[in-house]
Amino acid sequence: ELKVEQNPLFLSMQEGKNYTIYCNYSTTSDRLYWYRQDPGKSLESLFVLLSNGAVKQEGRLMASLDTKARLSTLHITAAVHDLSATYFCAVDMPGNYQLIWGAGTKLIIKP
Amino acid sequence: DTAVSQTPKYLVTQMGNDKSIKCEQNLGHDTMYWYKQDSKKFLKIMFSYNNKELIINETVPNRFSPKSPDKAHLNLHINSLELGDSAVYFCATGDRKDEQYFGPGTRLTVT
Repeated sequence: ELKVEQNPLFLSMQEGKNYTIYCNYSTTSDRLYWYRQDPGKSLESLFVLLSNGAVKQEGRLMASLDTKARLSTLHITAAVHDLSATYFCAVDMPGNYQLIWGAGTKLIIKP
Repeated sequence: DTAVSQTPKYLVTQMGNDKSIKCEQNLGHDTMYWYKQDSKKFLKIMFSYNNKELIINETVPNRFSPKSPDKAHLNLHINSLELGDSAVYFCATGDRKDEQYFGPGTRLTVT
């Protein structure tokens, strides 16, 4: 059974700091997704990581994938208040149409 | 032109009632999903249809019945609503091996 674990589940940080959210998964998969959800809103796709060593960056967010370690990271550089949201990772279940979701990381960035 | 739309956005109803939520997508995707997000933000897959065929049917009470009249529509009917059904229900679409696109969500409150 494929399991996806995110940590931390809650993160409160000051503006200007750097931090990393981790996403571990339990079995082989070749695709990993990061989504953002603002309070009361829907989920928005941030990154799609397709292969080992993949790195994608958008603004202050950078995501990477290590398929051998079954680990993805979402790194936040010089955080700003607008990045406050819940971040989810999801892993493609091989041979299935299903994504397996992490529990989400609630990120609060204080001015 | 909204890619994935859901109606209604809010639904407040009493225990024991029957209600439906509708989802429509104009992205041309083959696969549509229903997710339930509880108060702790945990995202749970409920159903998935591919080209009008049910392909994922997770452990969900049989009071929940999905219907896909065509590839662009996926509806969710809920019978005999219970307090525990209160949640946000998201419709999502995607092609196999592709990211999923989420609708705005339907916030269901059962009183």
